[in-house]
Amino acid sequence: LAKTTQPISMDSYEGQEVNITCSHNNIATNDYITWYQQFPSQGPRFIIQGYKTKVTNEVASLFIPADRKSSTLSLPRVSLSDTAVYYCLVGDIRSGGTSYGKLTFGQGTILTVHP
Amino acid sequence: KAGVTQTPRYLIKTRGQQVTLSCSPISGHRSVSWYQQTPGQGLQFLFEYFSETQRNKGNFPGRFSGRQFSNSRSEMNVSTLELGDSALYLCASSLSSGLYEQYFGPGTRLTVT
Repeated sequence: LAKTTQPISMDSYEGQEVNITCSHNNIATNDYITWYQQFPSQGPRFIIQGYKTKVTNEVASLFIPADRKSSTLSLPRVSLSDTAVYYCLVGDIRSGGTSYGKLTFGQGTILTVHP
Repeated sequence: KAGVTQTPRYLIKTRGQQVTLSCSPISGHRSVSWYQQTPGQGLQFLFEYFSETQRNKGNFPGRFSGRQFSNSRSEMNVSTLELGDSALYLCASSLSSGLYEQYFGPGTRLTVT
């Protein structure tokens, strides 16, 4: 099971781009990388998911280098409402995948956006 | 489209009792997964149900069980509650089996005294 390492906390200012990196040195062939956002007293919210190279959607981009040992979530032009905990999840997300039952979210990165 | 709903939102039980939590997925979603979130262990996968069948299971004791009904609604049961079972229990739904794009509910806060 891929162990993930993220910064415990990050600070930014409104309008800036924020990049949060997740290290996963022992990522397996079938593992995907998924990022979630969580506000206090709420369930996590799906942000983006990818396997390799770059993935972009309307809220974020995910950069995955060729060796897949790390990934970077990029949030363009953050606002105060982006203050939350961001989780990087690495694992086999396919139903019946080998590490499926062992999926655990890490401690996450607390992002604080200042005015 | 209504989101994932969970009931009850808060629950207080005593050790040894059992508890049943309910989750209604987004309309059209057939997969429901359950997670336990605690400050010490973070968010941990419990199990997933798809088309009324348990498809995947995490590393939790047999006291934790679940089921899914034909309308995709799901219930989770914890028997013989222990103090360590105090946690936020989250359910998430998705269109297909697997941990692809999941939508989480607000959770049920269970406190065991």
